[in-house]
Amino acid sequence: ILNVEQSPQSLHVQEGDSTNFTCSFPSSNFYALHWYRWETAKSPEALFVMTLNGDEKKKGRISATLNTKEGYSYLYIKGSQPEDSATYLCAPYNTDKLIFGTGTRLQVFP
Amino acid sequence: NAGVMQNPRHLVRRRGQEARLRCSPMKGHSHVYWYRQLPEEGLKFMVYLQKENIIDESGMPKERFSAEFPKEGPSILRIQQVVRGDSAAYFCASSPDTGSDYGYTFGSGTRLTVV
Repeated sequence: ILNVEQSPQSLHVQEGDSTNFTCSFPSSNFYALHWYRWETAKSPEALFVMTLNGDEKKKGRISATLNTKEGYSYLYIKGSQPEDSATYLCAPYNTDKLIFGTGTRLQVFP
Repeated sequence: NAGVMQNPRHLVRRRGQEARLRCSPMKGHSHVYWYRQLPEEGLKFMVYLQKENIIDESGMPKERFSAEFPKEGPSILRIQQVVRGDSAAYFCASSPDTGSDYGYTFGSGTRLTVV
């Protein structure tokens, strides 16, 4: 069973703060890492698919980096807004499917 | 362009009954994945199917659970003789090809309550 760890488990920030969270995964047999955003009462939505060591992806104020040699990825949110409040999941690709971490729950207060 | 459709959204079953959960993948997607979210836990992989084939069922309990994705029609996750511990949210996702390069598109989930 692939061990995927995300930290912190939850995070409360003020509007305008920048924040980041970590995803750790086994570095052996790496294929790809996905990031998802999951708002309450909705479905998980794909943010990034990352495959190469050193990859950096960006979508608006959200960006992610990947280190496959040491087995971690960071997700950054610049200038958090209340609409960024959600659970952020990472999922390494293992053999033929994604294995999800338990997520970081972000709450942004106005 | 409808996304992944799951039904029903909510399902209540008495202990011992059968539960059938349906998932229609996004148009053009031939790969279907089922995940279960138990209360206070994350998404746990259950099964991966392509049309008429089970590719990986390593996350599926050995008894009472089965899944299919027929040539025509939706994918079905079937739970026989449900018990209280089966109460969970069941999510289906689809992708156009093997998922390492493609993000999954998720359905809204079926919330199963066993009473």
